[in-house]
Amino acid sequence: AQSVTQLDSQVPVFEEAPVELRCNYSSSVSVYLFWYVQYPNQGLQLLLKYLSGSTLVKGINGFEAEFNKSQTSFHLRKPSVHISDTAEYFCAVTPRGGSARQLTFGSGTQLTVLP
Amino acid sequence: DTAVSQTPKYLVTQMGNDKSIKCEQNLGHDTMYWYKQDSKKFLKIMFSYNNKELIINETVPNRFSPKSPDKAHLNLHINSLELGDSAVYFCASSQTGGAPLHFGNGTRLTVT
Repeated sequence: AQSVTQLDSQVPVFEEAPVELRCNYSSSVSVYLFWYVQYPNQGLQLLLKYLSGSTLVKGINGFEAEFNKSQTSFHLRKPSVHISDTAEYFCAVTPRGGSARQLTFGSGTQLTVLP
Repeated sequence: DTAVSQTPKYLVTQMGNDKSIKCEQNLGHDTMYWYKQDSKKFLKIMFSYNNKELIINETVPNRFSPKSPDKAHLNLHINSLELGDSAVYFCASSQTGGAPLHFGNGTRLTVT
């Protein structure tokens, strides 16, 4: 079994400032890692994913995340946020080679970008 | 050209009623899912279904049942609705093998 911890439930940040949303996971096997974004009144959209290879993963909308196996972390970063980045962000993990139904989501982090 | 669409967007009903939520995907995916998102935004998988097997999360009450008329549709039926069923329900789809999920925009169910 695996679990995901998103350490911050809410992150307020000013426009054009950098942001980091933290995600730690626990698993007894190797994993795939994902970040999803949920805009108000919408479903989740995939931001980026780590399956293998380079530990620095680039996604849509200028976001990137770094897989750190020793710290079992997959933190999401953006160097300069926009008002439009205000949304709920979910980290998720599944066993390597597992199916999507084994995806475990974190509790989410609400990013609020302030003018 | 919506990839995963679900209807209705909002559903308000009284306790004890039976209701359905429809979901359709045009991505050609072979697996579909239903998720429940509670008031704290926590997401929990309820079902996954492809043309070979239905996998049910053991915590889901048997008042909930998925029905799939074909590979592109997975509807959710709920019998004898209870107050605790109030939540946002998301349909999703993927290709078998762990591909990322594609979500619909959700159905906000309110039971009064």
